[in-house]
Amino acid sequence: KAGVTQTPRYLIKTRGQQVTLSCSPISGHRSVSWYQQTPGQGLQFLFEYFSETQRNKGNFPGRFSGRQFSNSRSEMNVSTLELGDSALYLCASSLAPVGGNYGYTFGSGTRLTVV
Amino acid sequence: DQQVKQNSPSLSVQEGRISILNCDYTNSMFDYFLWYKKYPAEGPTFLISISSIKDKNEDGRFTVFLNKSAKHLSLHIVPSQPGDSAVYFCAASDSGTYKYIFGTGTRLKVLA
Repeated sequence: KAGVTQTPRYLIKTRGQQVTLSCSPISGHRSVSWYQQTPGQGLQFLFEYFSETQRNKGNFPGRFSGRQFSNSRSEMNVSTLELGDSALYLCASSLAPVGGNYGYTFGSGTRLTVV
Repeated sequence: DQQVKQNSPSLSVQEGRISILNCDYTNSMFDYFLWYKKYPAEGPTFLISISSIKDKNEDGRFTVFLNKSAKHLSLHIVPSQPGDSAVYFCAASDSGTYKYIFGTGTRLKVLA
């Protein structure tokens, strides 16, 4: 059974550019969540999607957006990149309703570096 | 406001001894707590969970303890092995919010 697939694995962008990251969840998983990991900040929740609907959003500026497609694949977009957006972006999928005791399955992440 | 806190950024333990990782939380509405382990260049992997109606859950070498009155949970690893060296994150959820809130992580180093 394939795991959560994130592409690309590494990305270098320039300040002011925009970037799109992609996530393919485990087959059958309809919930996809995105997190940002930076040193000292742990994993910060970005948003969660279920059946193409955003059900929750974290405290990030509007430059961060996402969407989910009918096949449950998800993308997140960051516009007008800032140096502070450099981070590991993690996608996670879940079969059970998010918030229970089964947790997520995470992908390996996309390492974004903004220069 | 950091609702889930891991106050020890790092911990070193000798192989074979017990590793105890701690986590504190502030939101009394949290009803599930989880621990994840993360190796470099990989995503976090789920280790063990506990619901707020229990005070202990055990899975092999891993045991999670929950003290609701103190809003504290801990992960015990016995015996510790070099392969356990990783960053450990605790996470909590309030069912219905569709998210987990993670701590900042504790880097465990098990010395051979």
